[in-house]
Amino acid sequence: DAKTTQPNSMESNEEEPVHLPCNHSTISGTDYIHWYRQLPSQGPEYVIHGLTSNVNNRMASLAIAEDRKSSTLILHRATLRDAAVYYCILYYSNFGNEKLTFGTGTRLTIIP
Amino acid sequence: NAGVTQTPKFRVLKTGQSMTLLCAQDMNHEYMYWYRQDPGMGLRLIHYSVGEGTTAKGEVPDGYNVSRLKKQNFLLGLESAAPSQTSVYFCASSDRDGSYEQYFGPGTRLTVT
Repeated sequence: DAKTTQPNSMESNEEEPVHLPCNHSTISGTDYIHWYRQLPSQGPEYVIHGLTSNVNNRMASLAIAEDRKSSTLILHRATLRDAAVYYCILYYSNFGNEKLTFGTGTRLTIIP
Repeated sequence: NAGVTQTPKFRVLKTGQSMTLLCAQDMNHEYMYWYRQDPGMGLRLIHYSVGEGTTAKGEVPDGYNVSRLKKQNFLLGLESAAPSQTSVYFCASSDRDGSYEQYFGPGTRLTVT
């Protein structure tokens, strides 16, 4: 089964870029890579997702390695509101057969 | 547009009692999911539904049942609660499969004594 590995915690200074890594060496060709973040006592919030190509949106960028065995979530300019637990997730979907693999997440601390 | 709502927000059960958690979404999404999150852990998928009238097992389905009689609602049932089911339960919905983002509800904190 696919598995994701993330560092338990990271720190970053405010207004600096943050690179959050995720290893998924057993990813299958049809697994989507999703990133969500979770603030204390809240439900997870979608950040970004991709399949093979790098993706950008208003919140972040997702860089996917060419072999797809790892990915990096990039927050371009961290703010205090970005402090959260970030989850890297593999989502396999095949005609209603769904399988999601959550990592244990990276707790991101932003230093003012 | 309320998004995904969950009822109740908190509940305490005694071992052996039953209860139903309700999830509702107003985004006309096809897919709905139930997860549990234990302290300090990531989420684990309990059951999911890819459309009205359909349900399927996720990673940790034992001890739970689900129903999706209406497209906007996804119910999670515990027939005989056990202390191991103490957790925070999250519901989510998405337009379709893994190529779409999921929208999560605020969670239900369940304690089984």
